[in-house]
Amino acid sequence: GEDVEQSLFLSVREGDSSVINCTYTDSSSTYLYWYKQEPGAGLQLLTYIFSNMDMKQDQRLTVLLNKKDKHLSLRIADTQTGDSAIYFCAESYNTDKLIFGTGTRLQVFP
Amino acid sequence: DAGVIQSPRHEVTEMGQEVTLRCKPISGHDYLFWYRQTMMRGLELLIYFNNNVPIDDSGMPEDRFSAKMPNASFSTLKIQPSEPRDSAVYFCASRGDADTQYFGPGTRLTVL
Repeated sequence: GEDVEQSLFLSVREGDSSVINCTYTDSSSTYLYWYKQEPGAGLQLLTYIFSNMDMKQDQRLTVLLNKKDKHLSLRIADTQTGDSAIYFCAESYNTDKLIFGTGTRLQVFP
Repeated sequence: DAGVIQSPRHEVTEMGQEVTLRCKPISGHDYLFWYRQTMMRGLELLIYFNNNVPIDDSGMPEDRFSAKMPNASFSTLKIQPSEPRDSAVYFCASRGDADTQYFGPGTRLTVL
């Protein structure tokens, strides 16, 4: 069945770049997403990439997609303390559903 | 738009009581999703609707859980009777023509 995996934790220094990785199993995914969840809040859509793209850049965010390896990454440039949150990777499955990863908790320290 | 609205934001109840969670999707969105988030199981899809019709309820854990969508602007998730293991954050999300789901702020449910 479909599965999305992420590492659980990432700790970076303020100003450095963060790279959050995700692997998925469903090769027929149409879109892949990154969501951010701050404490006590819902999931906020950060960005998404269509499966026929390799890269998408949006200000400090860069998404890389390697379809051959079924690997998705989110790079945050110049990471700030306000970026501390849980980041979820998700793939669309049969268009209607989203399959979410376990989430990666990003901690940014000064 | 106000985004997806959920109520209540917090609910504390005793085991055996009925709990009703409410959701108002973004206007014009024709998909509505209910999720549950726990530390142990992560984010789980419980059920989703398209044009007010339940499409897939395979994630609903037990018959104690039921969901309705009487019209395009309102949905409920009901747990009867509630149990301590139902304690979680319950999210509602809605989606329009694009594939993107927008989440509400969630309802934190504690069953004592």
